[in-house]
Amino acid sequence: QKEVEQDPGPLSVPEGAIVSLNCTYSNSAFQYFMWYRQYSRKGPELLMYTYSSGNKEDGRFTAQVDKSSKYISLFIRDSQPSDSATYLCAGAGANNLFFGTGTRLTVIP
Amino acid sequence: DVKVTQSSRYLVKRTGEKVFLECVQDMDHENMFWYRQDPGLGLRLIYFSYDVKMKEKGDIPEGYSVSREKKERFSLILESASTNQTSMYLCASSLGPRNSPLHFGNGTRLTVT
Repeated sequence: QKEVEQDPGPLSVPEGAIVSLNCTYSNSAFQYFMWYRQYSRKGPELLMYTYSSGNKEDGRFTAQVDKSSKYISLFIRDSQPSDSATYLCAGAGANNLFFGTGTRLTVIP
Repeated sequence: DVKVTQSSRYLVKRTGEKVFLECVQDMDHENMFWYRQDPGLGLRLIYFSYDVKMKEKGDIPEGYSVSREKKERFSLILESASTNQTSMYLCASSLGPRNSPLHFGNGTRLTVT
């Protein structure tokens, strides 16, 4: 079983929709979680970073962690065509980062 | 803003060639990483360096070596390139330990024919 599992998609939504991107993880010792955004032909860039259970909001983006069910989510409100990218979740163990394989999102104008 | 620069965006090499991938970061970060990214497999850590001349193997070090002679520069070496090393290679740096948030370069797409 992989440390972090992520549905690869692809996911297509109309502009303005609320997007929900999800990951599950198996290691209950993960200390914190991250979401990266990767545009085509670019490297991943850190989008959100959260330590604990609950929600963290940054503009149109909300990261949610549910440690009891080992589930992490990224919500994008009022999605824009510029949000079209691959989104990678990651969990931080004691000595390493574990990445999901990424979900490709397309926001259609 | 942290900048991680990879010297080549695209490389095409022949089987058996020795290949050097170069990476430079400008934020005085202690830690530097090399990952490869393949569809369906995600990001896999090849090597990690926590100081000049110091390195640790990642999850898939076979067929690769690294060099860190200066703090800002981290090189990945394919001693004898093979077709199964065709991939996207991503360099990253971080201020904190190995499980810290990473700053990535834009990648080098390597094709081995």
